[in-house]
Amino acid sequence: AQSVAQPEDQVNVAEGNPLTVKCTYSVSGNPYLFWYVQYPNRGLQFLLKYITGDNLVKGSYGFEAEFNKSQTSFHLKKPSALVSDSALYFCAVSGSNTGFQKLVFGTGTRLLVSP
Amino acid sequence: DSGVTQTPKHLITATGQRVTLRCSPRSGDLSVYWYQQSLDQGLQFLIHYYNGEERAKGNILERFSAQQFPDLHSELNLSSLELGDSALYFCASSVGSYNSPLHFGNGTRLTVT
Repeated sequence: AQSVAQPEDQVNVAEGNPLTVKCTYSVSGNPYLFWYVQYPNRGLQFLLKYITGDNLVKGSYGFEAEFNKSQTSFHLKKPSALVSDSALYFCAVSGSNTGFQKLVFGTGTRLLVSP
Repeated sequence: DSGVTQTPKHLITATGQRVTLRCSPRSGDLSVYWYQQSLDQGLQFLIHYYNGEERAKGNILERFSAQQFPDLHSELNLSSLELGDSALYFCASSVGSYNSPLHFGNGTRLTVT
């Protein structure tokens, strides 16, 4: 069965500093990896995805993520955090062997960027 | 705006009642997914429809059912409601391929009293 782990409930970072939100996954077959962001009282918004190819994926709002197959990780990064990046971030995975697109989400990591 | 519309935004009802949540997917999307988000369970996959057919079931209770209509909108029916069913219910849609992202609506907040 596929699964996603986000080991940190919350990440605190000062504005202007780089940020990393961690994600590890387990899936049979090739992984399809996604990051989503959720603002208060809103649905999840797609940030970026890794399907194949370059291990560094660039997405919306200056975010990027690095796929590491040997460590089964897909960490979300941003070189310089903004206060407006404060939100709940979800990592998700689906696999090529599931027979359908079943997207499994992690428990989420709250990012708090202080001024 | 994701293009996915969910109604109603809020729903307050009593235990034992039945409610229907509605979702209109993005134009052109054939897949509809339902997720439940609660504080203690996180984001749980309930059910997936593709072009009117049920494709997968997740952690969906027998008291819950869903369907996708010919115009591709979907409804999630929750019956014999319990206090523990209080949660945010999200609908998401996608074009349906394995690697396409999901686009989420803003959810329906259900409160069971």
